[in-house]
Amino acid sequence: KNQVEQSPQSLIILEGKNCTLQCNYTVSPFSNLRWYKQDTGRGPVSLTIMTFSENTKSNGRYTATLDADTKQSSLHITASQLSDSASYICVVSGFSGGYNKLIFGAGTRLAVHP
Amino acid sequence: GAVVSQHPSWVICKSGTSVKIECRSLDFQATTMFWYRQFPKQSLMLMATSNEGSKATYEQGVEKDKFLINHASLTLSTLTVTSAHPEDSSFYICSAGPSGGAGETQYFGPGTRLLVL
Repeated sequence: KNQVEQSPQSLIILEGKNCTLQCNYTVSPFSNLRWYKQDTGRGPVSLTIMTFSENTKSNGRYTATLDADTKQSSLHITASQLSDSASYICVVSGFSGGYNKLIFGAGTRLAVHP
Repeated sequence: GAVVSQHPSWVICKSGTSVKIECRSLDFQATTMFWYRQFPKQSLMLMATSNEGSKATYEQGVEKDKFLINHASLTLSTLTVTSAHPEDSSFYICSAGPSGGAGETQYFGPGTRLLVL
């Protein structure tokens, strides 16, 4: 069964600290993996997208890694800011039910405190 | 980046009424758009795939007659929640991509919050 699992479910960190969010997937065949940031009451905004051959991709203070062999990805946030408080969703593109579709993780809710 | 808009951003309605939500791709054409529903503290759940000029493809468990989808042009898809009930209260989000398929880059709309009284 195609699944995307994220950990932790929620996380609280102090402003300025770093953190790493995890994503494990069982989607096969795999097309790409994306990390989205979703502020409360808003639509998701793309942070990174990686294909099978990419191991790491950065977007400002966000750095995503991908290990296609172990089917694991991480999102590292450096020098966190209060505005980083949001849900971070790992999304894998793969085949399900006979056609290509996005499979969403449940997300990690990050709270950055001053 | 590409922009996808939704209208309205929020709506409150009485039980039994119908509500129409619009999803527009502002700077690209989208042959395919996707409609999602998100309940509090949960991730997005795909409801249906909207195909321009043809019938939408619904996910298992989503009532076609309840959630009417019309994709009349390459930049507009609409979702109509018919005879809405309180259990339909949710956050509805659409997405679209310039290349059409779900495997390509997807841009999400800002979402529409529906509250049915």
